[in-house]
Amino acid sequence: GAVVSQHPSWVICKSGTSVKIECRSLDFQATTMFWYRQFPKQSLMLMATSNEGSKATYEQGVEKDKFLINHASLTLSTLTVTSAHPEDSSFYICSARAALAGAGEQFFGPGTRLTVL
Amino acid sequence: DAKTTQPTSMDCAEGRAANLPCNHSTISGNEYVYWYRQIHSQGPQYIIHGLKNNETNEMASLIITEDRKSSTLILPHATLRDTAVYYCIVRVGYNQGGKLIFGQGTELSVKP
Repeated sequence: GAVVSQHPSWVICKSGTSVKIECRSLDFQATTMFWYRQFPKQSLMLMATSNEGSKATYEQGVEKDKFLINHASLTLSTLTVTSAHPEDSSFYICSARAALAGAGEQFFGPGTRLTVL
Repeated sequence: DAKTTQPTSMDCAEGRAANLPCNHSTISGNEYVYWYRQIHSQGPQYIIHGLKNNETNEMASLIITEDRKSSTLILPHATLRDTAVYYCIVRVGYNQGGKLIFGQGTELSVKP
């Protein structure tokens, strides 16, 4: 299957700082990328969908000004958690869909664990 | 997108077939059935998907009932590395705005 990478794999930051997480599709072009968040012992929650060159579409209850998403190219999307607080500590996972994907082609990155002190 | 119901947890003996059920009684005609799994602290891994017909790949088989209201994922010879949370998701196609929305899944424990 296609490979999706995330960087960093983990990050620890102080409360009030901003953190940027990168998601890259390594061997395919991704027209659409998705960002999920997962708290311990819970399922994945979809945060937003981004299409290359367009503004992201956020799920209900997700603050777009707090979670800034940029999808500037067909292989890179970034999620910036602005003014992070301890309650933002979570496992953030991106997913990418290939430009010529069929019905099933959505691949996930390995995730980024964010800890806000 | 239709809702799915899965057992919270299941056990399976190593080397045996693991049969994971999923109920999706409100599925629409244009919705696909997807299966993903998540090994602890990793991103989800695609397993298989189908619309109406049964499907098989190198990882698993997907059996969809004729009325499409339920399906079963079969791992033919489970190994310890198959221990994971398995998610059954129903979704319309991407060109119809479909998104993968994860439920609670089934925690499969493969035991020696």
